[in-house]
Amino acid sequence: AQTVTQSQPEMSVQEAETVTLSCTYDTSESDYYLFWYKQPPSRQMILVIRQEAYKQQNATENRFSVNFQKAAKSFSLKISDSQLGDAAMYFCASLNNNDMRFGAGTRLTVKP
Amino acid sequence: GAVVSQHPSWVICKSGTSVKIECRSLDFQATTMFWYRQFPKQSLMLMATSNEGSKATYEQGVEKDKFLINHASLTLSTLTVTSAHPEDSSFYICSARDPGQGYGYTFGSGTRLTVV
Repeated sequence: AQTVTQSQPEMSVQEAETVTLSCTYDTSESDYYLFWYKQPPSRQMILVIRQEAYKQQNATENRFSVNFQKAAKSFSLKISDSQLGDAAMYFCASLNNNDMRFGAGTRLTVKP
Repeated sequence: GAVVSQHPSWVICKSGTSVKIECRSLDFQATTMFWYRQFPKQSLMLMATSNEGSKATYEQGVEKDKFLINHASLTLSTLTVTSAHPEDSSFYICSARDPGQGYGYTFGSGTRLTVV
């Protein structure tokens, strides 16, 4: 079984500043994938960034980057130059063998 | 990119009736689709894995007879909530993986079910 833990129910960031959302996971598999999804008020799940566990290099997508620490089973998301449109629920997820599990989520507020 | 269409977006039904939710992969074939349930301010909980041409695999604690899943084609999976009760009111989301998109999963827009 795999589990995903997000220990920050809520986070707040000033517009244009940087914020880091935490995520830890636990899996017995050696081959797995990690994701961050954004869920705005519309509740549509939007893929933010993804990481293959076998890759050492941290994934980056424009203002979004991850800090993947495989030994520590940690997968944090850094949002740089935060924008008002970044406000949403963020879910960390792990995937292996077609089984995707989500963390409890972090609600991000962006202050103008 | 891969698109998953989910209908209806919202539905209100009376207790004791059944409701069907459709999940379609629009531009790719999905041999496997997934159904999640999300309560307000909570995470997505996997209910079942829908397999084309075979029986769905349900997560522990999910009633198979209440949540009927049919995956009759490579582009359509349906979730039928039978004999609905108010406690079945929730947000239901489906997802599928487009093999052409690597290992990424695409989600439908969700269905808000209210049972009165």
